[in-house]
Amino acid sequence: VQLVESGGGLVKPGGSLRLSCAASGVPFSKYTMNWVRQAPGKGLEWVSSITTGSAFIYYADSVKGRFTISRDNAKNSLYLQMNSLRAEDTAVYYCAREDGTNSGNRYFDYWGQGTLVTVSS
Amino acid sequence: QSVLTQPPSVSEAPRQRVTISCSGSSSNIGNNAVNWYQQLPGKAPKLLVYYDDLLPSGVSDRFSGSKSGTSASLAISGLQSEDEADYYCAAWDDSLNAWVFGGGTKLTVL
Repeated sequence: VQLVESGGGLVKPGGSLRLSCAASGVPFSKYTMNWVRQAPGKGLEWVSSITTGSAFIYYADSVKGRFTISRDNAKNSLYLQMNSLRAEDTAVYYCAREDGTNSGNRYFDYWGQGTLVTVSS
Repeated sequence: QSVLTQPPSVSEAPRQRVTISCSGSSSNIGNNAVNWYQQLPGKAPKLLVYYDDLLPSGVSDRFSGSKSGTSASLAISGLQSEDEADYYCAAWDDSLNAWVFGGGTKLTVL
């Protein structure tokens, strides 16, 4: 199982960026996927989640209305469109596969290596 | 301010045992499974314990998890220098419809 993020970089406040996560070695379409971020020197913060067929999508309040998660099961890829970026969005962004048996019993079993997003003028 | 509360740091000598606590509420830990992640310096997080007390394949049985009510704990026995890392608890929150993490606990092996 391999998850590889890309698309990070330096962007000015108010700008946009699109992150990608390419999955291999897994039946991508069968798993809920997530984005989790980590600001420099800080802890983990969940960003967004998307179910297998994109029927259910959830966002952290801190990014709601600015970020959009999506997926292309035919391309085994997960995306995060980030608009109206702020300095506080500066972080390493990880994609993570979610597994489990039911709505309350789930976990992130595989993580990518992350991609750094820096929002600065 | 994280929804789940962990001590910022713990330390213990090699070969000893340490526990890391994680406190939440009825909408997260009290009603859903708790998972623990280990993050070695400069690395991505790794699943350490899932469903409160289960170990993924390949994780040493020196690690164990437990839960009671709205609190959970991670115990590490026979401490080794390679256990030095940040440890995070996490659970789904039914009220927020969001995954919530603890602030993380930095383990130092003296």
